[in-house]
Amino acid sequence: GAVVSQHPSWVICKSGTSVKIECRSLDFQATTMFWYRQFPKQSLMLMATSNEGSKATYEQGVEKDKFLINHASLTLSTLTVTSAHPEDSSFYICSALGAGGPPGGELFFGEGSRLTVL
Amino acid sequence: GENVEQHPSTLSVQEGDSAVIKCTYSDSASNYFPWYKQELGKGPQLIIDIRSNVGEKKDQRIAVTLNKTAKHFSLHITETQPEDSAVYFCAASKTGGGNKLTFGTGTQLKVEL
Repeated sequence: GAVVSQHPSWVICKSGTSVKIECRSLDFQATTMFWYRQFPKQSLMLMATSNEGSKATYEQGVEKDKFLINHASLTLSTLTVTSAHPEDSSFYICSALGAGGPPGGELFFGEGSRLTVL
Repeated sequence: GENVEQHPSTLSVQEGDSAVIKCTYSDSASNYFPWYKQELGKGPQLIIDIRSNVGEKKDQRIAVTLNKTAKHFSLHITETQPEDSAVYFCAASKTGGGNKLTFGTGTQLKVEL
């Protein structure tokens, strides 16, 4: 199946710094990518929808100025957590939409990126 | 918006037994229902999915059933094995919904020897 790669798989940073997470579709072009956040023992919560060449669409309650999303190419979307604080510590997961499959395409998930803010 | 409820939150079975996880959804327009398996520290992996025009789908030891009238769907795993132990999530989406998935709350399945 298609592969979606996230980097880094884990990162530890100091409070107040910014962290960038990359999501790449390795063998297909993805016009749409999604970013999720998952806290321990909880479900995946959609943060934003990233469309290539346009601004991301954020879900209600997600601060767009804190979670910067850039989808500059058909194979790469980045999530930057700005001025990170301990409460931003979480597991961030991306998914990429490929052609085919229901309802509008098949979703392929990355392996996730564990962020720990000290 | 869509709301997906999932039960049980934890499920413990003996190896070889069957496991059933149930989900209900609220939006009657939802027409795509995937199930994901998530192992510790990893991203979710699609294990089976079903469209609203089908009532049941099976893939070896895994099956999914859908009741559109009642708006619920279930995952059935037969002959469970220790490697089936993981967190399972159901999800729902609809055509025209931007391919957004609404996830259930997850079920921690433990298969004991």
